[in-house]
Amino acid sequence: ELKVEQNPLFLSMQEGKNYTIYCNYSTTSDRLYWYRQDPGKSLESLFVLLSNGAVKQEGRLMASLDTKARLSTLHITAAVHDLSATYFCAAGTDYGGSQGNLIFGKGTKLSVKP
Amino acid sequence: SAVISQKPSRDICQRGTSLTIQCQVDSQVTMMFWYRQQPGQSLTLIATANQGSEATYESGFVIDKFPISRPNLTFSTLTVSNMSPEDSSIYLCSVALFSYNEQFFGPGTRLTVL
Repeated sequence: ELKVEQNPLFLSMQEGKNYTIYCNYSTTSDRLYWYRQDPGKSLESLFVLLSNGAVKQEGRLMASLDTKARLSTLHITAAVHDLSATYFCAAGTDYGGSQGNLIFGKGTKLSVKP
Repeated sequence: SAVISQKPSRDICQRGTSLTIQCQVDSQVTMMFWYRQQPGQSLTLIATANQGSEATYESGFVIDKFPISRPNLTFSTLTVSNMSPEDSSIYLCSVALFSYNEQFFGPGTRLTVL
């Protein structure tokens, strides 16, 4: 059974600092997703990682995937207040050879303070 | 990408009643998923809805409580039946786009049961 563990669950950062969110998954998955959720809103897709060693960057966020370690990271560089949100990682399942549902981590609630 | 709309966006319902949530996608998709997000929690899959076949429910969710329809490749409904306060959650539909290896989420339906 695929399980996803994310840590930390809460993260309070100062502006300008760097930090990393970790996402471990328990069994093989060929797709790893990162989403952002603002309060009262739906999920916004940030990254999709499909292969070992994949690295993607968008602004102050960089995501990477190590399929051998079953680990993905979301690195935040020089945090700003606008990055305050909850970040979810999710691993993809298969459904009869097609994309199946996602298994989500518990989320990391990020608060960036001046 | 896919544009997904959900109706209603929010509702307040009385215990014992039922609510049907609609999900409309702007393109034809094979796989549609319904998730529940309880307050302050992560997302949990309710069921996978394939066009032309019965929905597949996850452990803990049953068809009598959460009947799903999938009449065509762009539309699905989820009914929350005989509601209780424990059903107060955000309900989200999601679609998988094979060509993009992405999964997109609708804006969600925020349900409060009194």
